[in-house]
Amino acid sequence: GAGVSQSPSNKVTEKGKDVELRCDPISGHTALYWYRQSLGQGLEFLIYFQGNSAPDKSGLPSDRFSAERTGGSVSTLTIQRTQQEDSAVYLCASSLTRGVSYEQYFGPGTRLTVT
Amino acid sequence: AQTVTQSQPEMSVQEAETVTLSCTYDTSESDYYLFWYKQPPSRQMILVIRQEAYKQQNATENRFSVNFQKAAKSFSLKISDSQLGDAAMYFCAYNSGYALNFGKGTSLLVTP
Repeated sequence: GAGVSQSPSNKVTEKGKDVELRCDPISGHTALYWYRQSLGQGLEFLIYFQGNSAPDKSGLPSDRFSAERTGGSVSTLTIQRTQQEDSAVYLCASSLTRGVSYEQYFGPGTRLTVT
Repeated sequence: AQTVTQSQPEMSVQEAETVTLSCTYDTSESDYYLFWYKQPPSRQMILVIRQEAYKQQNATENRFSVNFQKAAKSFSLKISDSQLGDAAMYFCAYNSGYALNFGKGTSLLVTP
């Protein structure tokens, strides 16, 4: 079956603009995760969804970052008023459900460049 | 907070040889999972192998095996009979709830 897909693959935006990053999880997976991979910080957890609810938003770096998930499927990560330090690869993952034993399957990521 | 440390930023191995990547972690939890992920230039993270903390037996997946030392909080990855396709970034990760905590990664170069 299809894996996790993310769009766009690459995004270049000007400082101060808003961007939306999309993630399509594997069909039937109820848990969805967003991570950020940057040169300075490595891989860091941002937020996760169980169904449409986000029990843990503690990893979001600032209030410019928000995420939603609709219909228990597609998720959108929105960054408002982008800054240069937001430049990174944003990775999405999904798993059958929440829990340490369930494998997280990753998408190819969106590379965001803020100029 | 849990931390994961990979002390080798880069490693090199000749094709067909064996290489070991190191990982240590810090946690006060007793129930957790450890993982090794591979990230090729395509950026897609691929699960290589995982270990359940309560299992004493080291996990093995074909040419990949781990040396899990729970008391020492060490979780190294051994790649046997290295192949050119093994060249990638390798990340060690820890999970005790839902979020993966990753190390900084080790870049593995495989030479012919």
